[in-house]
Amino acid sequence: GIQVEQSPPDLILQEGANSTLRCNFSDSVNNLQWFHQNPWGQLINLFYIPSGTKQNGRLSATTVATERYSLLYISSSQTTDSGVYFCAVGDETSGSRLTFGEGTQLTVNP
Amino acid sequence: EADIYQTPRYLVIGTGKKITLECSQTMGHDKMYWYQQDPGMELHLIHYSYGVNSTEKGDLSSESTVSRIRTEHFPLTLESARPSHTSQYLCASRTGTYTEAFFGQGTRLTVV
Repeated sequence: GIQVEQSPPDLILQEGANSTLRCNFSDSVNNLQWFHQNPWGQLINLFYIPSGTKQNGRLSATTVATERYSLLYISSSQTTDSGVYFCAVGDETSGSRLTFGEGTQLTVNP
Repeated sequence: EADIYQTPRYLVIGTGKKITLECSQTMGHDKMYWYQQDPGMELHLIHYSYGVNSTEKGDLSSESTVSRIRTEHFPLTLESARPSHTSQYLCASRTGTYTEAFFGQGTRLTVV
């Protein structure tokens, strides 16, 4: 099956800093989502982005499907951005099923 | 805003008990999924359904079972809970293959 690698595994920032999270995948994808898991365990949808670029406030994402990676940008980070960020992908063989990466643990200090 | 609900949010139960974790969505989505997540780890697919009377096992082997009698409802059952079943269980749904998936709030299960 498709493999998903996220980097870095851990990231510690001061409030106000910018960051880039990366998601590499091993095969062509037709589905890609970024999620934020809050401290209560809930997965919050950030972006559905199998290709192209999207922006939502301080967050933006870019997927370069031909090169098999996606980037999540967080600007002017806030303490509420802390949590785990997951990339999840689907390919032709998996249909609508999503395969998750191991996540990036982000800690934003005041 | 996604309308997908899981109950209970937290459950502590003794070994050997039968439990059912509930998942309901009001969006009319055909596709529904159950994922299992240990603390600090990635999510693993354990069951999925593409519609009423359709259920399939996922990538991670699980002793749980599921049913899909109604479009909006996708319960997960453990016939005899064991401490190794302690984990978080997350339910998701989507309308089609090339659409956004939405997750419920999850159920944290502890088997003592």
